[in-house]
Amino acid sequence: ELKVEQNPLFLSMQEGKNYTIYCNYSTTSDRLYWYRQDPGKSLESLFVLLSNGAVKQEGRLMASLDTKARLSTLHITAAVHDLSATYFCAVDRVQPSGTYKYIFGTGTRLKVLA
Amino acid sequence: ETGVTQSPTHLIKTRGQQVTLRCSSQSGHNTVSWYQQALGQGPQFIFQYYREEENGRGNFPPRFSGLQFPNYSSELNVNALELDDSALYLCASSFRQGQVDTDTQYFGPGTRLTVL
Repeated sequence: ELKVEQNPLFLSMQEGKNYTIYCNYSTTSDRLYWYRQDPGKSLESLFVLLSNGAVKQEGRLMASLDTKARLSTLHITAAVHDLSATYFCAVDRVQPSGTYKYIFGTGTRLKVLA
Repeated sequence: ETGVTQSPTHLIKTRGQQVTLRCSSQSGHNTVSWYQQALGQGPQFIFQYYREEENGRGNFPPRFSGLQFPNYSSELNVNALELDDSALYLCASSFRQGQVDTDTQYFGPGTRLTVL
């Protein structure tokens, strides 16, 4: 069964600090996604990681993928208050039957303190 | 380019009733997925429609059903509503070639359903 776990679930950090969010998944998947969600809002796509060793960066966020370890990381550099949100990773997989599954992680609620 | 739109934005129903939620996909997209997000939880995959057929389904009972229309818009129908169906329902669209999406999914603003 495809499962996705994130840690930590909650993260409170000071502005200017660095931190990493981890995303582990249980079985082979096709791609790894990162999303951001602000309270009461929908999801905003941040990154799509397609292959082992993929690294993508946008502003203070950098995502990487290790398919052998089934691990993705979202690294935050010099955090600012505007990054406060809930971050989700997700994986998708075409099953052997040909049908499709898409599984979200538990989410990491990030609060950046001034 | 228009984004993903959903209607209605909010809905209140009573237990046992039926509800239909609607989603218009982003221009150029041919695949629609539906998710249920309970308060404080991550989105749960309900199902996906591609070429007007259900292409994958999460762990949801048959009273959750859907349709995709030739213009790629979609409906989510929920029969015999239960209190636990109260959630934010998100629709997402993407472009698929063959078995995989070519890019990420783009999410609509959601419909908040309250079941009393």
